[in-house]
Amino acid sequence: EIVLTQSPGTLSLSPGERATLSCRASQSVTSSYLAWYQRKPGQAPRLLIYGASTRATGIPDRFSGSGSGTDFTLTISRLEPEDFAVYYCQQYGSLPFTFGPGTKVDIK
Amino acid sequence: EVQLVESGGGLVQPGRSLRLSCAASGFTFDDYAMHWVRQAPGKGLEWVSGISWNSGSIGYADSVKGRFTISRDNAKNSLYLQMNSLRAEDTAFYYCAKRRFSSGWYGIFDSWGQGTLVTVSS
Repeated sequence: EIVLTQSPGTLSLSPGERATLSCRASQSVTSSYLAWYQRKPGQAPRLLIYGASTRATGIPDRFSGSGSGTDFTLTISRLEPEDFAVYYCQQYGSLPFTFGPGTKVDIK
Repeated sequence: EVQLVESGGGLVQPGRSLRLSCAASGFTFDDYAMHWVRQAPGKGLEWVSGISWNSGSIGYADSVKGRFTISRDNAKNSLYLQMNSLRAEDTAFYYCAKRRFSSGWYGIFDSWGQGTLVTVSS
């Protein structure tokens, strides 16, 4: 099983700032099959990025993903008020599909 | 608009069974693989099981293998999860999720339901 570790656990930033979230895998993720989700309280997760760097439908271009192998990054170029949430990475290249523990982005 | 509505959760004693359902609408159900993902209170997301569009490919997390069975009825646009021999550690919100692409079945989820709570306790 591929274990995903996310850092930091919490990121305290102000609107307009840049957020950089890390996701590290215990072994190489097949074909960069790595996704990022956003989750707000009381809502279902929202797919942001798949294939490590492809934005999902309707996702603003301030969200970008990068990385390969075992190291992946989600960057939010300028935080908007609606971006404060928990972010999860997930690998879907090999069974069982696994999620990271999440990074909470909160308002400083 | 894609809609996924789970039902069937509730309070159940350890060792008993429960069947979850997910009613899908707003897309061509039999074109897509579907999955179950759960989240225990205060814990992270855990993939539980997935099934291809024609039920030809199925997978389970090790934690539920041999106890849970996923199935689907394309004529009814419905996904199911039969959960047997339930344990306290199965307590969680259970979400059904639709695969992003119509080909393949591996789990990348672009639509999720709101979840149904399963509580396993005596």
